[in-house]
Amino acid sequence: NAGVMQNPRHLVRRRGQEARLRCSPMKGHSHVYWYRQLPEEGLKFMVYLQKENIIDESGMPKERFSAEFPKEGPSILRIQQVVRGDSAAYFCASSTGQGYEQFFGPGTRLTVL
Amino acid sequence: AQKITQTQPGMFVQEKEAVTLDCTYDTSDQSYGLFWYKQPSSGEMIFLIYQGSYDEQNATEGRYSLNFQKARKSANLVISASQLGDSAMYFCAMREGGQAGTALIFGKGTTLSVSS
Repeated sequence: NAGVMQNPRHLVRRRGQEARLRCSPMKGHSHVYWYRQLPEEGLKFMVYLQKENIIDESGMPKERFSAEFPKEGPSILRIQQVVRGDSAAYFCASSTGQGYEQFFGPGTRLTVL
Repeated sequence: AQKITQTQPGMFVQEKEAVTLDCTYDTSDQSYGLFWYKQPSSGEMIFLIYQGSYDEQNATEGRYSLNFQKARKSANLVISASQLGDSAMYFCAMREGGQAGTALIFGKGTTLSVSS
């Protein structure tokens, strides 16, 4: 049973480009969370999605960031017109929505030059 | 106010010794959950242990135990018989409320260094 998968593991973008981060939840999981970890910091919640619905986006910056979790395919976190401050590790976690545990993916390390 | 406070930026311990990593939390909810995660230098987040607010006994998982003191709002992680492979960053996290589908709130972490 494969765990949560994220790709790419490392992503380098120049300022102004777009970054697309993908997350495939564990089999049977329909709840996805995105977190961001800035250097030397803990993880900060960004957005919580279920299939085709955004449940809580209270942690998402108002501009340039968007997320989706379509009926088919992975969840996508999209960052438009990236800036240096977007450089961070972005983690996806998934759950069944029933139990308490969230299973984390390996993260995508975004570097903005 | 910080919801999760980890006051120890770094801890040092020798192999085979026990170590306690501190965590205090702040919530007005009666139902909540507390988690500890390990993040080695490779970067992944590894779930270690969970304590529910209504659990009467302290959680244990192998060499990990959670010292849960509800009145003090503390949830310290105890690692017994430290190993070199325990060197990593450790994060305390909380889920507020009784709903399972709730985001986690993380502390800033404690770096543990285990020496031989």
